[in-house]
Amino acid sequence: EAGVAQSPRYKIIEKRQSVAFWCNPISGHATLYWYQQILGQGPKLLIQFQNNGVVDDSQLPKDRFSAERLKGVDSTLKIQPAKLEDSAVYLCASSLDRTETQYFGPGTRLLVL
Amino acid sequence: GIQVEQSPPDLILQEGANSTLRCNFSDSVNNLQWFHQNPWGQLINLFYIPSGTKQNGRLSATTVATERYSLLYISSSQTTDSGVYFCAGAYNQGGKLIFGQGTELSVKP
Repeated sequence: EAGVAQSPRYKIIEKRQSVAFWCNPISGHATLYWYQQILGQGPKLLIQFQNNGVVDDSQLPKDRFSAERLKGVDSTLKIQPAKLEDSAVYLCASSLDRTETQYFGPGTRLLVL
Repeated sequence: GIQVEQSPPDLILQEGANSTLRCNFSDSVNNLQWFHQNPWGQLINLFYIPSGTKQNGRLSATTVATERYSLLYISSSQTTDSGVYFCAGAYNQGGKLIFGQGTELSVKP
């Protein structure tokens, strides 16, 4: 069974530029999550989708971050404009349903200069 | 807010030694997972264990939900066990995982 796929793996941009990340969850998984992991900390949830609907985006900085999961499969996370403090690893995870085991992708390392 | 606390923050072991990592959580959980984050940053599932005891090879975990803690046991440690171990809990059937700060384990040959 294929795992969670993410791209790109690395991205370097300058502040005020925009960037987008892509996630393909495990086939059949209804719930998809985007987490942000700052160096030295545990991951923090940005947004959670159930199929193509948003369940929780309470910690998403909505003035600059947006995410969508059209058709309830793949998802994209966008940052526009980026700030220095957005430098982090962005992790995508999926699970069969909300209370089931979450499986994580390899992450996208973002560096904002 | 809901808190997940892990101890110890750092641990250095000699290869072959055993260790116990602890995770305390401030509220009842419907999901409790242990992860190993390898040096390349990949979060690897170790256990899904909201209650009870599970074993997988040299690793085992126990969650005592009524007392709000979970333990991860590593026996006969190997250098490949090095990395950061996270526990994370989800509450109120919501799915959102709250992560602890992690335990950084270094196993020396």
